[in-house]
Amino acid sequence: DAKTTQPTSMDCAEGRAANLPCNHSTISGNEYVYWYRQIHSQGPQYIIHGLKNNETNEMASLIITEDRKSSTLILPHATLRDTAVYYCIVRGRSGNTPLVFGKGTRLSVIA
Amino acid sequence: GAGVSQSPSNKVTEKGKDVELRCDPISGHTALYWYRQSLGQGLEFLIYFQGNSAPDKSGLPSDRFSAERTGGSVSTLTIQRTQQEDSAVYLCASSFRGQIYLENTGELFFGEGSRLTVL
Repeated sequence: DAKTTQPTSMDCAEGRAANLPCNHSTISGNEYVYWYRQIHSQGPQYIIHGLKNNETNEMASLIITEDRKSSTLILPHATLRDTAVYYCIVRGRSGNTPLVFGKGTRLSVIA
Repeated sequence: GAGVSQSPSNKVTEKGKDVELRCDPISGHTALYWYRQSLGQGLEFLIYFQGNSAPDKSGLPSDRFSAERTGGSVSTLTIQRTQQEDSAVYLCASSFRGQIYLENTGELFFGEGSRLTVL
């Protein structure tokens, strides 16, 4: 079972910031928070990951609460091409366990 | 190639036939994963390879499903005596798992998938 809880769906106006929340209250100390997205008819795409510090890359920012029980993925200026299902996943970094995908959040960016 | 390659991209078969799906991971990636995604559903883990061995095959739904990996590279997922409920997109992913922990980012790179339709 997925260890995360996400809203089923969200809408965001084009050009505005999209803030996608994720609860992971049972996360353990050595588990990272990963975000992936899946655009229709494509394989999932890695976005970002973090342990406890906030992270930023060219795609998004990841804000993790101090207690690590929740996080928020931020797409600073959403475009229509960001419409996708966004998955929040917790997992160790060693690579010897599979990613467990939950239902994710279906983000619709609206013109 | 630059990314994970899967073939065929589309496969239509008749119930009861066997099918083979192929995955070519990114060169140098030691870990390989198979998932499947039924229409409108989330991703379901099937099996994980580290090198040529499969430490976790807990997701294979029945003994009709098997997978192998040779030379630490290409993997084949075989479904015997296909059933209509096997219809799904089968996704392969690979990741790098080095000997040094810090080398492991945990990022998975997915292919575009093989869409299987069983009539």
